[in-house]
Amino acid sequence: SYELTQPPSVSVSPGQTASITCSGDKLGDKYASWYQHKPGQSPVLVIYQDAKRPSGIPERFSGSNSGTTVTLTISGTQAVDEADYYCQAWDISTVIFGGGTKLTVL
Amino acid sequence: QVQLQESGPGLVKPSETLSLTCTVSGDSITSDYWSWIRQPPGKGLEWIGYIYYSGSTNYNPSLKSRVAISVDTPKNQFSLKVNSVTGADTAVYYCARSVRGNYGRHYYYMDVWGKGTTVTVSS
Repeated sequence: SYELTQPPSVSVSPGQTASITCSGDKLGDKYASWYQHKPGQSPVLVIYQDAKRPSGIPERFSGSNSGTTVTLTISGTQAVDEADYYCQAWDISTVIFGGGTKLTVL
Repeated sequence: QVQLQESGPGLVKPSETLSLTCTVSGDSITSDYWSWIRQPPGKGLEWIGYIYYSGSTNYNPSLKSRVAISVDTPKNQFSLKVNSVTGADTAVYYCARSVRGNYGRHYYYMDVWGKGTTVTVSS
């Protein structure tokens, strides 16, 4: 079965750039999405189709796809961005989530 | 504004059937795909399955033998049933509106989520 691999945790200082990676076999052949999930809240879509931002998502969130890795980049990270982030893709009619990355803003 | 609301029992006994309903407001259930996702305590998100208003479904292979998703278009609702539940099915269950398409590459993402409902499997 298809798998998406994320680092368990990433730390960043306020105002700096955070990069969260997600890797998978031939991921460049698929579109990826990213979700922000804070404790006690429902997940929020922050990036879809690799690099598009839904309405209402701050411009500091961006995404890219380089073949086997997709990356979520948060520029000028703020304390409010501290959350779990999940990548997601579609493979043979099934939805695959990565294991999640806990972003800590120190 | 599109809103989704999960409802159903918060406690289910082992070996019984978990049943949840998602009520959609602000959008017609005939216009999109609709998914169920869960998060067990301390773990990540797990996709359960989706349904299209026509009744076409697809499920996570690891759950396929125990799961059924159905749609009630007059009520603008869709539902989830998981049978023969065990403690491993204890989780927060989310319903979500989904978008599916193909621009040379297939895509599927969940753009609106319900608030989630906690289901505990225990005797």
